[in-house]
Amino acid sequence: GAVVSQHPSRVICKSGTSVKIECRSLDFQATTMFWYRQFPKQSLMLMATSNEGSKATYEQGVEKDKFLINHASLTLSTLTVTSAHPEDSSFYICSAISKSALAGGRAVTRTQYFGPGTRLTVL
Amino acid sequence: AQKVTQAQTEISVVEKEDVTLDCVYETRDTTYYLFWYKQPPSGELVFLIRRNSFDEQNEISGRYSWNFQKSTSSFNFTITASQVVDSAVYFCALSEPDTGRRALTFGSGTRLQVQP
Repeated sequence: GAVVSQHPSRVICKSGTSVKIECRSLDFQATTMFWYRQFPKQSLMLMATSNEGSKATYEQGVEKDKFLINHASLTLSTLTVTSAHPEDSSFYICSAISKSALAGGRAVTRTQYFGPGTRLTVL
Repeated sequence: AQKVTQAQTEISVVEKEDVTLDCVYETRDTTYYLFWYKQPPSGELVFLIRRNSFDEQNEISGRYSWNFQKSTSSFNFTITASQVVDSAVYFCALSEPDTGRRALTFGSGTRLQVQP
């Protein structure tokens, strides 16, 4: 239980293009999803908090027009990197918190479950 | 503001040695949650443990054990009889209380290398 998937796992794109990353909770409904960014050999930095049906809350210093987040349903959030540049190259990881206390018979509330991450390389 | 400090950047041990990863946190909240995650070379984050601020009992799970001491704001993680498969980056994290966003503040991570 409590599985989160991300797609794609790896993407290489040209500078100036837009890239969409999907985050799905597979066996539970997620009230909240988070998007993190991790540069090589560094820690995870929170980019934004996404609640289903409402606008995302961005952390200070994160451009909301560049990193578009859409939380269309209780199981899907998307992050679109618009007009990507080489400095946007990074490892993007999403996480989800369950709406209910259980998923697959296991207590999951208050614990963030992470997707496998998406490695973005902008040439 | 919340802060998590993992002072050990990198630790190298030989297989079967015990190793302790330190974690010190700062928060003004009276209710909070502490976590440990493992990040193997593949990049995915694997949940290891969650602890709430009211539960100071130490926990053991197989070769893993955790020592939560509220008096020193520490939540240390010990691996007993380490194995090569334990090689990874380990992150300690602190969560806001349920009334907040519940976002995680991560420490900088400790890279553990277990040599055969």
